[in-house]
Amino acid sequence: DTGVSQNPRHKITKRGQNVTFRCDPISEHNRLYWYRQTLGQGPEFLTYFQNEAQLEKSRLLSDRFSAERPKGSFSTLEIQRTEQGDSAMYLCASSFSFVGGYNEQFFGPGTRLTVL
Amino acid sequence: GQQLNQSPQSMFIQEGEDVSMNCTSSSIFNTWLWYKQEPGEGPVLLIALYKAGELTSNGRLTAQFGITRKDSFLNISASIPSDVGIYFCAGPTGNQFYFGTGTSLTVIP
Repeated sequence: DTGVSQNPRHKITKRGQNVTFRCDPISEHNRLYWYRQTLGQGPEFLTYFQNEAQLEKSRLLSDRFSAERPKGSFSTLEIQRTEQGDSAMYLCASSFSFVGGYNEQFFGPGTRLTVL
Repeated sequence: GQQLNQSPQSMFIQEGEDVSMNCTSSSIFNTWLWYKQEPGEGPVLLIALYKAGELTSNGRLTAQFGITRKDSFLNISASIPSDVGIYFCAGPTGNQFYFGTGTSLTVIP
């Protein structure tokens, strides 16, 4: 396993269209996170999964955003009716969580979304 | 949400110089992380700190977990051109991770 992978790496879409991104985490990792990063800023937490359960969502995650992790492996992030303000880098990270320990996150290369 | 402020915002240094940057928080963290991000890529974990006062090294990088648990410091010794990038501090609160504003490092050969 070579790390977290994300597809596509770049996506250009017109305002109002729906887009879907995919993240494949490191295979033994049970936690998966989605972040959004705009130019000149650090990543901002969107949501995370423990196996297939979505356990936490940021208030940044509007109702146009939905994330799934159907079998506890890969995850998808869908944005409906895209707006220009959705233009950003969308980062996925994964970690292995165990009781009493801290889970270090490993990031994928990101999907850069441009909404025209 | 948590506020993590990093300083300086950017640095331009000569190759071979040492670099220091810091990160301060509005509240206490029990873990501090330092990441490096290069253009078009995701952040890569450099150092993780788990205890107040802890000093940890990774090659030419050394990071410290502040005693107050509200700050952390990263030093890079003898900088080289491949140190170029943006350095982020980060810390978890519950299951959410908060990232700092970043310090952009440029190394002039």
